[in-house]
Amino acid sequence: DAGVIQSPRHEVTEMGQEVTLRCKPISGHNSLFWYRQTMMRGLELLIYFNNNVPIDDSGMPEDRFSAKMPNASFSTLKIQPSEPRDSAVYFCASSLGGLEANYGYTFGSGTRLTVV
Amino acid sequence: AQSVAQPEDQVNVAEGNPLTVKCTYSVSGNPYLFWYVQYPNRGLQFLLKYITGDNLVKGSYGFEAEFNKSQTSFHLKKPSALVSDSALYFCAVRDVDTGRRALTFGSGTRLQVQP
Repeated sequence: DAGVIQSPRHEVTEMGQEVTLRCKPISGHNSLFWYRQTMMRGLELLIYFNNNVPIDDSGMPEDRFSAKMPNASFSTLKIQPSEPRDSAVYFCASSLGGLEANYGYTFGSGTRLTVV
Repeated sequence: AQSVAQPEDQVNVAEGNPLTVKCTYSVSGNPYLFWYVQYPNRGLQFLLKYITGDNLVKGSYGFEAEFNKSQTSFHLKKPSALVSDSALYFCAVRDVDTGRRALTFGSGTRLQVQP
């Protein structure tokens, strides 16, 4: 398996523009998580999905952020409009749920977003 | 609510010496505990976990961690550090009894192993 795949690896955009980050989880994993990493705040959970359904989006900073998971193999995180304070590394992770699972995550390599 | 504390921003150790990276947690129920490592410009990689059973857990690259319920701690250890162990280490917790699947991560501890 190729692991969790995120694209793009790097994104530089101007303030006010729309940004879409993409994630392909590991096949068979039924939980997907979006985290944001900054020096100031560390790793913050933004939202997670179970069986493609959003379960907890309480970490989404504000209405400018939205996430979708239209099917089991794809998720997007959109920021519209983007602001400089959104600059961070955004990680996607997936895991296999169920009683027999270890509940550990597999992380993607992240998308480094810079908003200028 | 679940939370994790990593009291040290950075740990410095000489190569060949034992290392400890500290972690304490808070959950209302029973914990699942994890350690992850992050190398520069990479995602987090799973090191080891405590789910149930033996309090001493062995993981990748010679690392181990000891679950101490009375002290609510899950310190990461290695008997002999390598320069290649230098990285950012994260402790994470999940409260089993809430059914919430998301992990809460600590702020991270940077391990620096000097040759």
